[in-house]
Amino acid sequence: NAGVTQTPKFRILKIGQSMTLQCTQDMNHNYMYWYRQDPGMGLKLIYYSVGAGITDKGEVPNGYNVSRSTTEDFPLRLELAAPSQTSVYFCASSPQGAGTEAFFGQGTRLTVV
Amino acid sequence: GNSVTQMEGPVTLSEEAFLTINCTYTATGYPSLFWYVQYPGEGLQLLLKATKADDKGSNKGFEATYRKETTSFHLEKGSVQVSDSAVYFCALKNTGNQFYFGTGTSLTVIP
Repeated sequence: NAGVTQTPKFRILKIGQSMTLQCTQDMNHNYMYWYRQDPGMGLKLIYYSVGAGITDKGEVPNGYNVSRSTTEDFPLRLELAAPSQTSVYFCASSPQGAGTEAFFGQGTRLTVV
Repeated sequence: GNSVTQMEGPVTLSEEAFLTINCTYTATGYPSLFWYVQYPGEGLQLLLKATKADDKGSNKGFEATYRKETTSFHLEKGSVQVSDSAVYFCALKNTGNQFYFGTGTSLTVIP
């Protein structure tokens, strides 16, 4: 069972470049989330989705975009990368319902130079 | 609103010492509570959870009890091992299926 798969694992971007972080899950979960993790700051929610075709902003959405065309995939797009977007990005999925946990991918370490 | 506050780290313990990592929460409604563990270079993994008041979650020798009266979910382990060195996150899930995480507590266990 693959769970949540993120690609790439590492990436270095130049300021102003764009890229897409891929996330796919094979557990048929309705809910998917993108977080960024900065040192000592915990996880901050960027965007989330409650199902195919539905997305919504989290705490720190500026500079990012998402789409959810299928249940399985939830890519995160960075347009015009900035040094402030240097971080570790985690995708997660969860079934609907109280008490159900989030399943995380391995993360993407992004550096913007 | 919803938020999680957990004990600042880093925490350094000798092997076989007792561990407590404090976690308190603020929530509307009746959240579920979780502890996640993150090993270096990896994503977060569920360690244990509790879904209602007075529930005790347990796994791999770790325990935490959902205390509604004190809005707490403290993580404990009676005898830590070097392999327990990791970052631990307390989290809640509200009725809207949103997760809220604490800032993480780094634990280092020395032989």
